Amino acid sequence: ETGVTQTPRHLVMGMTNKKSLKCEQHLGHNAMYWYKQSAKKPLELMFVYSLEERVENNSVPSRFSPECPNSSHLFLHLHTLQPEDSALYLCASSQVVRGNQPQHFGDGTRLSIL
Amino acid sequence: AQSVSQHNHHVILSEAASLELGCNYSYGGTVNLFWYVQYPGQHLQLLLKYFSGDPLVKGIKGFEAEFIKSKFSFNLRKPSVQWSDTAEYFCARRDTNAGKSTFGDGTTLTVKP
Repeated sequence: ETGVTQTPRHLVMGMTNKKSLKCEQHLGHNAMYWYKQSAKKPLELMFVYSLEERVENNSVPSRFSPECPNSSHLFLHLHTLQPEDSALYLCASSQVVRGNQPQHFGDGTRLSIL
Repeated sequence: AQSVSQHNHHVILSEAASLELGCNYSYGGTVNLFWYVQYPGQHLQLLLKYFSGDPLVKGIKGFEAEFIKSKFSFNLRKPSVQWSDTAEYFCARRDTNAGKSTFGDGTTLTVKP
């Protein structure tokens, strides 16, 4: 139990589908993150939110659209994805964006694009 | 751009062997350094962290890491590994001001019983 819950755990979708990944943290943190973890590659930071405001967008294609309705919830809306988008998508949270606190990670959503 | 390099992609050890996983980071002002571990089928979790003070940091499960500023290194060590240490290990840096975390490629550790 990490305090960061991601759903679904696995998702298979076609390139024309629209789906959303959900992340919820129960730690009272103010910062939330989306990472992409591909095989043989380092974790890639996609988006950073601080108090529901997006503070960083790491040149992520527009087919990925994040949403942070409140400090406890973070979504990643997906549409017209490509096969190379198949990966493990990790959500993380930390107390604040800046500073030295570690991040707490969810179990991830394993995404496969057909 | 900030970077983190982990030298070993896959390490295979027998139980009771000593472990050292290399991690080097690029220079960039004040950094905070972390080692995370991801056991098979589980989430990433924090092993240990360095912010300031004593450069030898003790973490959970008998792990430790030494911050050597002159070498820009933060190597992870354990005197005697166990089969249950089989996992993937990630070194990460976090820039205090920017708040951005950069992760290394990860090292897969396999411990043979």
